[in-house]
Amino acid sequence: DQQVKQNSPSLSVQEGRISILNCDYTNSMFDYFLWYKKYPAEGPTFLISISSIKDKNEDGRFTVFLNKSAKHLSLHIVPSQPGDSAVYFCAASVTDKLIFGTGTRLQVFP
Amino acid sequence: DAGVTQSPTHLIKTRGQQVTLRCSPKSGHDTVSWYQQALGQGPQFIFQYYEEEERQRGNFPDRFSGHQFPNYSSELNVNALLLGDSALYLCASSTLDRGSNQPQHFGDGTRLSIL
Repeated sequence: DQQVKQNSPSLSVQEGRISILNCDYTNSMFDYFLWYKKYPAEGPTFLISISSIKDKNEDGRFTVFLNKSAKHLSLHIVPSQPGDSAVYFCAASVTDKLIFGTGTRLQVFP
Repeated sequence: DAGVTQSPTHLIKTRGQQVTLRCSPKSGHDTVSWYQQALGQGPQFIFQYYEEEERQRGNFPDRFSGHQFPNYSSELNVNALLLGDSALYLCASSTLDRGSNQPQHFGDGTRLSIL
């Protein structure tokens, strides 16, 4: 039973355009959501998070949106840069235990 | 300020053996969580340690055990290794703050290969 799903295994975006990564979840008890970026041979790097009591959080080029009624969150990266090319994982938390999606590989090309 | 450090980086074992992986949390963090990441999958929660005790556990057999020391560092032990235990093992640290959510910060992992 996969509680957190990232249905797009990959995404390709031109440099300077917007990247939108999506994530769906099933457990309404999740109270905290996070996005991590992972380069090969490195551990996941924390990017941005959002509490379940909010619907938007912004940090520089990164914005996370949460739609609780649809059980959906998304990560917007604007503008996208070649250095953003990595695998992005969405994670949801209940009692400080993280449940991860399977990741979306983002490629930003010039 | 050192982040989360894990050792060793890579490890090769054979079926039936036992392994111990080590983790030092980020400075100021008191909680350590362990995750297993199989190829092409997201990390899966194994267990979490706080105040030297296992605070919660994921769906992993008793062959997986752990320990947390007074300096907050932690070990993950796996007994009777199976081929399916081949994976990247990630350690994450955080501060347990019951008043607000805190992100977990990850180390670079230990790549365990079982032959």
